Amino acid sequence: QITLKESGPTLLKPTQTLTLTCTFSGFSLSTTGMAVGWIRQPPGKALEFLAQIYWNDDKRYSSSLKNRLTITKDTSKKQVVLRMTNMDPVDTATYYCALRKIADGWYVEAYYIWGHGTVVTVSS
Amino acid sequence: DIVVTQSPDSLAVSLGERATISCKSSQSVLDATHKKNYFAWYQQKPGQPPTLLIYWASTRESGVPDRFSGSGSGTDFTLTISCLQAEDVAVYYCQQYYSFPLTFGGGTTVEIK
Repeated sequence: QITLKESGPTLLKPTQTLTLTCTFSGFSLSTTGMAVGWIRQPPGKALEFLAQIYWNDDKRYSSSLKNRLTITKDTSKKQVVLRMTNMDPVDTATYYCALRKIADGWYVEAYYIWGHGTVVTVSS
Repeated sequence: DIVVTQSPDSLAVSLGERATISCKSSQSVLDATHKKNYFAWYQQKPGQPPTLLIYWASTRESGVPDRFSGSGSGTDFTLTISCLQAEDVAVYYCQQYYSFPLTFGGGTTVEIK
């Protein structure tokens, strides 16, 4: 059974750095084709892609946030870490990590298993 | 970035009736060589993460009831719920995965009339 779980601080002050950890089980991120992404959702708003990391350490980032984001993986710990600098109240959101789908040998850059999300509030 | 525009923002449908949601991408997401549209649909119920319903624009994810269907090609896509059930009350999102960054539509709230 594949599971993902997000963890990290619930409250940050403006300008602080957010570090979120996605701890997963049921697969290995060293297996060819595997990829884990981070997506966020402000309260009452739509989903927003943040970053994705692949088994070969390739990385993809949001265009608007790429200067603030860093995604890394620790394969042995089964963790993916997202770091976002210079947090602002507009970054208040539920942050999800999710597993990218592979179907019939095709890489589908959509997410078929999600964590429950972690709520991050940015306020002074 | 590819912009995905979803409509309507909300709709109310009677139980057993059809619900139709549309999405339009700012550029084609069709891989003509392989005849695949890089487009997906999700369902999100309150307090829960999204669940994948459809990928390749029309392929149902495992376990998704066949009353959910996806159609369209190029820049215009549709999610149809053929016979709305009470448990289908949710927000629905579309997503393109033709190019990074991945982008989502703004969401459509489906309610019971």
